[in-house]
Amino acid sequence: GAGVSQSPRYKVAKRGQDVALRCDPISGHVSLFWYQQALGQGPEFLTYFQNEAQLDKSGLPSDRFFAERPEGSVSTLKIQRTQQEDSAVYLCASSSKTSGNIDTQYFGPGTRLTVL
Amino acid sequence: EDQVTQSPEALRLQEGESSSLNCSYTVSGLRGLFWYRQDPGKGPEFLFTLYSAGEEKEKERLKATLTKKESFLHITAPKPEDSATYLCAVQAPGGSYIPTFGRGTSLIVHP
Repeated sequence: GAGVSQSPRYKVAKRGQDVALRCDPISGHVSLFWYQQALGQGPEFLTYFQNEAQLDKSGLPSDRFFAERPEGSVSTLKIQRTQQEDSAVYLCASSSKTSGNIDTQYFGPGTRLTVL
Repeated sequence: EDQVTQSPEALRLQEGESSSLNCSYTVSGLRGLFWYRQDPGKGPEFLFTLYSAGEEKEKERLKATLTKKESFLHITAPKPEDSATYLCAVQAPGGSYIPTFGRGTSLIVHP
């Protein structure tokens, strides 16, 4: 009965480095979301997958951000040439329902990224 | 553009002192309104989904209510373990499946 897991939990990067954040959703969940949460703010949408298809990436802040879910389960969020403004908690959430019918999302613990 | 506003930003209560948190929204038709609890260093934990005005849901000391413009999360006789940030999110209709989150209310309950 594992929930959503994310790794690493904490990541410190020097400005300009590339990072990769991993999300393992609940088994069988077709929908997967990535969010960015700044300190004292609510989660902000980044991108959405239905199975392996990336149906919405409108929230990605720049072309340095890239996400994939090649086999419809594990997802990776990659940030190239990290900047200080990328420092935030990155949350992953999954849902058993497809777009248009999504209600409950189950969140992982997040990855706290600090860019020095 | 959909907007979700939560108030107050922070709330301090004594154990046993009941209160309410507010989530007001502006959305052209509401598909669903969600309440989540978030503890420090953790991801949001789902509490309730409300779909229509007049709907109420309860869980232990928490009760969520919904009107056409806002939702309240009532906390009855809170305990220190209820201390957390409470997030509200709304989902609009028309295939827009992406919930929009408010900034949250940080609740501290003192023993």
